[in-house]
Amino acid sequence: DTGVSQNPRHKITKRGQNVTFRCDPISEHNRLYWYRQTLGQGPEFLTYFQNEAQLEKSRLLSDRFSAERPKGSFSTLEIQRTEQGDSAMYLCASSLGSPPHEQYFGPGTRLTVT
Amino acid sequence: AQTVTQSQPEMSVQEAETVTLSCTYDTSENNYYLFWYKQPPSRQMILVIRQEAYKQQNATENRFSVNFQKAAKSFSLKISDSQLGDTAMYFCAFMPHNSGNTPLVFGKGTRLSVIA
Repeated sequence: DTGVSQNPRHKITKRGQNVTFRCDPISEHNRLYWYRQTLGQGPEFLTYFQNEAQLEKSRLLSDRFSAERPKGSFSTLEIQRTEQGDSAMYLCASSLGSPPHEQYFGPGTRLTVT
Repeated sequence: AQTVTQSQPEMSVQEAETVTLSCTYDTSENNYYLFWYKQPPSRQMILVIRQEAYKQQNATENRFSVNFQKAAKSFSLKISDSQLGDTAMYFCAFMPHNSGNTPLVFGKGTRLSVIA
């Protein structure tokens, strides 16, 4: 197992376009999390899944954001009608649903909206 | 709502010396987890050390140890014998225990530079 992977690693898009990111968690992990990290800040929670069920969404997640985890495996995060304020690093993490509760992070997708 | 505060945006330390990074948090929970994560430049975040709030003993992982003061809601990280590879952003994070494996609440981070 090579850990959590995310694609693409970098994405540059024009304002108003839609973008989709993918996260592949560690295979036996049933929990998957999405965070957003802007420059000089710590990661902020966006949403998370247990298997295919989306358990919680942050108030940061506007209606332009949607996340899915079909079949409880990989997850996608889509941003519609991107805005410059969406520019950030989008981090995915996964974990077992039991102690010691360590979340394993992927390398992130850096989004730049021009 | 839980909050995590890291009051030192940047720190530096000479190689082989010891440095302590500060973290305070605010919660009404009694049982929870605390973590320190390391994010090296352009690399992914990795766990450094974890502490369960109900455990009195401070966690230790090789050169990394914590000073957990539950009453003061303080959770500092001590790095001994600092190495150049310790240069990174360090994030303190909180997770409520009773809620299960839930999202982490992070501080804003401390940028640590280890100087040769």
